[in-house]
Amino acid sequence: EVELVESGGGLVQPGGSLRLSCSASGFTFSRHWMSWVRQAPGKGLEWVANIKQDGSDNYSVDFVKGRFTISRDNAKNSLHLQMNSLRAEDTAVYYCVRGPDYGAWADYFDYWGQGTLVTVSS
Amino acid sequence: DIVMTQSPLSLPVTPGEPASISCRSSQSLLHNNGHNYLNWYLQKPGQSPQLLIYMGSHRASGVPDRFSGGGSGTDFTLTISRVEAEDVGVYYCMHTLENLPTFGQGTKVEIK
Repeated sequence: EVELVESGGGLVQPGGSLRLSCSASGFTFSRHWMSWVRQAPGKGLEWVANIKQDGSDNYSVDFVKGRFTISRDNAKNSLHLQMNSLRAEDTAVYYCVRGPDYGAWADYFDYWGQGTLVTVSS
Repeated sequence: DIVMTQSPLSLPVTPGEPASISCRSSQSLLHNNGHNYLNWYLQKPGQSPQLLIYMGSHRASGVPDRFSGGGSGTDFTLTISRVEAEDVGVYYCMHTLENLPTFGQGTKVEIK
């Protein structure tokens, strides 16, 4: 059974840092693109960043560039999001999401974790 | 960036009746490989989103056949043939045409 478990969320002051982690199990982690998607309280879904299977390439939305860094450790089946210079508007539930496999014809997110809440407030 | 626009944003439904949600993209999601890079998700209250439809019209594993997706290019529709009480929640469309996926604003479906 595919399982994605996020951790590392919490309360942080504006300008502070947090490192989110996602532990993956039940599938061959190294074969899949992985993403982070966030959801501010009472708001919609917002894609944040993704990373290629071997970590050689990644993309992120403009408003986190230079502040957030996505990475992965295929040996430990884990995905990470290093978040620096946090702002109040980064307050959200952050979801770890599985993307397509190597050579897949289709492109979609099929499994989501339960999310971890990040609150940026003084 | 591709902008995704859903309508309506709120949809009261009657159990047993059909319901549909529209999603429009600011540019065509039809790739030259013939596939539409448009997916539909349902977020039930208090839960993580779940995949319903991928690549425009393909039902995800375990999704009831009362859900169907259609459309091509810039106009897409999610249809529920007969709404059930368990279908309440917020429905999102999302494109994956380029490596900067974006979601629609969400359509909240609730029982009348």
